[in-house]
This record gives sequence, structure tokens and C-alpha cells, in this order.
Amino acid sequence: EVQLVESGGGLVKPGGSLRLSCAASGFTFSSYSMNWVRQAPGKGLEWVSSISSSSSYIYYADSVKGRFTISRDNAKNSLYLQMNSLRAEDTAVYYCARDEQIAVVSYYFDYWGQGTLVTVSS
Amino acid sequence: EIVLTQSPATLSLSPGERATLSCRASQSVSSYLAWYQQKPGQAPRLLIYDASNRATGIPARFSGSGSGTDFTLTISSLEPEDFAVYYCQQRSNWPRTFGQGTRLEIK
Repeated sequence: EVQLVESGGGLVKPGGSLRLSCAASGFTFSSYSMNWVRQAPGKGLEWVSSISSSSSYIYYADSVKGRFTISRDNAKNSLYLQMNSLRAEDTAVYYCARDEQIAVVSYYFDYWGQGTLVTVSS
Repeated sequence: EIVLTQSPATLSLSPGERATLSCRASQSVSSYLAWYQQKPGQAPRLLIYDASNRATGIPARFSGSGSGTDFTLTISSLEPEDFAVYYCQQRSNWPRTFGQGTRLEIK
């Protein structure tokens, strides 16, 4: 059974940093691109970042470029999102999500974690 | 950036009725469009990819159509569990974008 479990969310002050993690199991993690998608409270979905299976290709939304860094450790079956210079508008539930095909980057997302809430507030 | 506009914002129907949800792209996305369902407190669930292909385990009452800029998600006969928010998403261009969602509520 495919499982994605996010962790690392919490309350942080504006300008602060957080590192989110996503632990994957039930599939060959190293074969799939992975993604972060966020959802502000009561709002819609926003794609944040994607990383290819071997980390060769990385993409970011303009809203987080230069502040967030996506990475992965295939030996640990884990995905990460380092978030720096956090702003109030980064407040959201952050989901990790798997690409629905191997050998592609950020096509569609077939498995999602339960999400981790990041709150940026003073 | 490709903007996806979903309509209507809210759709009120009864179980057993047919639901038709629309997603319009600001420029052509070919057939590179997906639909997701999200229930309160849950992660989104992939329903349809590449405009018309049902994802694994999705019931046949869900169907997708369209290409270019106009897309439709149809639920042929609503079940109680289908009342949720639905999002479209394109993978034609970077950044990947989602529509703002259509809330399907029980009438």
C-alpha cells in the first residue's frame, strides 16, 4: 500500500524557517518524481515544487522561488521541503504527492499524504 | 501562467442527478488536464487524467471530456459520497496550475 506521511509543520514567526519531511513507503520511491502542493485555509490547491526521481530536474512556483528548496533522499525514501524567509501567505496545509507515472515530472498526482499544517504568524 | 477557471463555483444537485462541471483554460493545454475530488479534511483524490482517462479505482460514473481550452467532468448519477469539491489541474505548462474549485453540494 502506497503511503506518504508528512511531518515538520508548526507555528513559525514571519522570516523564520521550517523543514518539512515526507516519508514514503509501499512503492519504489526512487522511480517517481515527487511534488509539494499546498492549500491555504479555506482556499484552493497551489502547486509549490517538483523534483525528478534522480533530483536532476527541480521546479518551483514563482511564489516560493529563492525561499524554498526541495530535495530528496532515495536511500531513506524521503522527500523534503526547506522553507526559509516564511511569510504569512505561506500559511497552508502542505501535501506531498507522487507523480502518477514513472519517468515524468509533475504530470498528475495520484497519491497524496494527509498534509502538515504550517502557520506563519507573530 | 495558464489560468484555469471552473464553473459554476457551487452546484446544488440531488442524489441520482447528473452533474456537469466545467474547466476553461486561458490558453490551450491540449489534453493535459486532470480532475481531482477533495472531501473536507482529506487530501485530494485523482479522478481523471489526460482529460478523459479514469484513474485506478475510479467508478465509471465519472467521465471527462474536452481538449484545448474547454473541459468537462460529468458524474452520470450522483451518489451521496460524490458531494465534495472538485478541482481541475493542467500539466501543459510550468507552473502547474489548478482551478479554483467547484463545490458540489446536496440540494
